[in-house]
Formats: sequence, structure tokens, C-alpha cells
Amino acid sequence: DAGVIQSPRHEVTEMGQEVTLRCKPISGHDYLFWYRQTMMRGLELLIYFNNNVPIDDSGMPEDRFSAKMPNASFSTLKIQPSEPRDSAVYFCASSLGGIQETQYFGPGTRLLVL
Amino acid sequence: QKEVEQDPGPLSVPEGAIVSLNCTYSNSAFQYFMWYRQYSRKGPELLMYTYSSGNKEDGRFTAQVDKSSKYISLFIRDSQPSDSATYLCAMKKFSGGYNKLIFGAGTRLAVHP
Repeated sequence: DAGVIQSPRHEVTEMGQEVTLRCKPISGHDYLFWYRQTMMRGLELLIYFNNNVPIDDSGMPEDRFSAKMPNASFSTLKIQPSEPRDSAVYFCASSLGGIQETQYFGPGTRLLVL
Repeated sequence: QKEVEQDPGPLSVPEGAIVSLNCTYSNSAFQYFMWYRQYSRKGPELLMYTYSSGNKEDGRFTAQVDKSSKYISLFIRDSQPSDSATYLCAMKKFSGGYNKLIFGAGTRLAVHP
């Protein structure tokens, strides 16, 4: 398996623009997680899905953030409108069986909002 | 106060040294304890996990949990330059109807030859 795939790897955009991050989890995994990592706040869990259904989105910072998982092999995290404070590395991870099971992280998307 | 506290370092040690990485937590609801390793510009990867108080060993790595003190540790024996990475502790609790995973800030470790 190729592991968790994220795209794009780097994104530079201007404030106010819409940003869409994409993730393909490991085939067969039933949990998918979106994280944000910054120097100031560390690694934060934003939202996670079980069998394509959002379970806990309490980590989503604001209504500007939304996530979807239309099928078992694809998820998106959207920021609209983007702001400079959204600049961070966004990771997607997947696991089989739950939040405490081994999570396999993707390479991350480095987002810079100017 | 953060629920999980971890000294960000950096920690610099010579090759072969024993490394001790630590996290403290404030909420006794945490049940599952994990250590992730993150190389520069990569995603984290799970190193070890443990559920109960006590020690768990895997090769050069030992994870230790002391629930009474709310303290967890990761020991690395015979440290190697390839161990240079950021180490994040993570803890699971059940809260608000959901399982939640909280990460420490991560400790940056540099092992020099």
C-alpha cells in the first residue's frame, strides 16, 4: 500500500481565498483524522471520521473550516475564506479500529496564507 | 494550563547516551498513552503505546507510565543519530461522548556522533 496520500504537498494562497486539502486514506482503514500542526499550538486533532461519518469535530477552529468524506477512499478539508493564521502543516491520518489504534500519517500539506 | 505538558527541548545528547523524554498530564481520565516519533518534514509515526501503569519495552525503547503521578516517560538506550527527531506523547480520553486524542507539544531530540 502507498500509505496515506495527501495533496497538494505545498499550498501558497492569499488571504480570503478558498483552500481545499485532499486525503486518500489507507485502503481498508475505517477511521480518518485531520490534524493541524503549528509551532505555537503543536499537533491538534481537528476532526475525525468513522466509516465516512464525522464523529467529533470539536477541534475545528471556526466555521470557516469544513471537512467531508464522501466515500471510504477520499476526504477533503476546506478553508473558506483563508486567513494568515491558518498557515500550518495539515496532516491526514487513518487507522483501523479506532482513535487509539496505530494512526498512519500522510506527509502533510504545508499551507501558507499571505 | 494544558492538559498534556511536554518540554519542547531541544535536547542534545552524544551518541550512545540514554535519553529520557517525559510528559505530565492533569486529567485522570486519560487511559491510553502513546509515543509518536516525527522526523523533520514528515508525518508522525507510532513508536509505542501502553494502557496500564508500568513499563513496556521494545528494543532500545522503554515506555513507562505512572498513573498515580500522572507522568509518562520514554527511554531510549544506546541512542543513535538516526533517533534525532521530535517525540510527541499522546493520550486518549473519553469525553463529551467521544474518544479524544491529545498530543503533547513534542520534544526535539538531537543525537550527535
